[in-house]
Amino acid sequence: AQSVTQPDIHITVSEGASLELRCNYSYGATPYLFWYVQSPGQGLQLLLKYFSGDTLVQGIKGFEAEFKRSQSSFNLRKPSVHWSDAAEYFCAVAPYGGATNKLIFGTGTLLAVQP
Amino acid sequence: GAVVSQHPSWVICKSGTSVKIECRSLDFQATTMFWYRQFPKQSLMLMATSNEGSKATYEQGVEKDKFLINHASLTLSTLTVTSAHPEDSSFYICSAIRDSQGGYTFGSGTRLTVV
Repeated sequence: AQSVTQPDIHITVSEGASLELRCNYSYGATPYLFWYVQSPGQGLQLLLKYFSGDTLVQGIKGFEAEFKRSQSSFNLRKPSVHWSDAAEYFCAVAPYGGATNKLIFGTGTLLAVQP
Repeated sequence: GAVVSQHPSWVICKSGTSVKIECRSLDFQATTMFWYRQFPKQSLMLMATSNEGSKATYEQGVEKDKFLINHASLTLSTLTVTSAHPEDSSFYICSAIRDSQGGYTFGSGTRLTVV
């Protein structure tokens, strides 16, 4: 079945440590790929997106993500986590690309940051 | 730019009443908007795709007679939860297509509590 998978439900890292959040998708073609962050009770903020071109994408707040076609993955990384990064992170896919297609979200990864 | 305003941010209503949620694109025209529902500690589930001037397209399992969507202008889509019941309590988020490069902008969400 077509899906977006975020294998890690919860992740806890120490402040200053590196972070990698995993995302895999199972759509046949290369979809448009996104990472969003959501603070409690808030809407979603776009961190970065990939449509084509360079497979390493830079986003806001020091985040980056790498698209690996062979692994159908789009993992999010940050070299040094700050306490303010604690939030829920969602990987999302527009399965057929394009400007008018719906987004399918992964189940989310809740990030906790230890002092 | 690219702001989507969603109102109200929270609402409490009695069981059996109807509630209308508005989603406005403030500085761009959105021919397509999406409505999502998010249960506590869960991901966003697409409910329907709203197209200006035409009927909304509902996802499988979403009751179109219960969740009425109207997209009468290029800047406004509304979701009306009719005859609300406690199980309809959830966080509802709208999203609008910003540009041809898949620029999705999200509203800040509406917390609906049915008592």
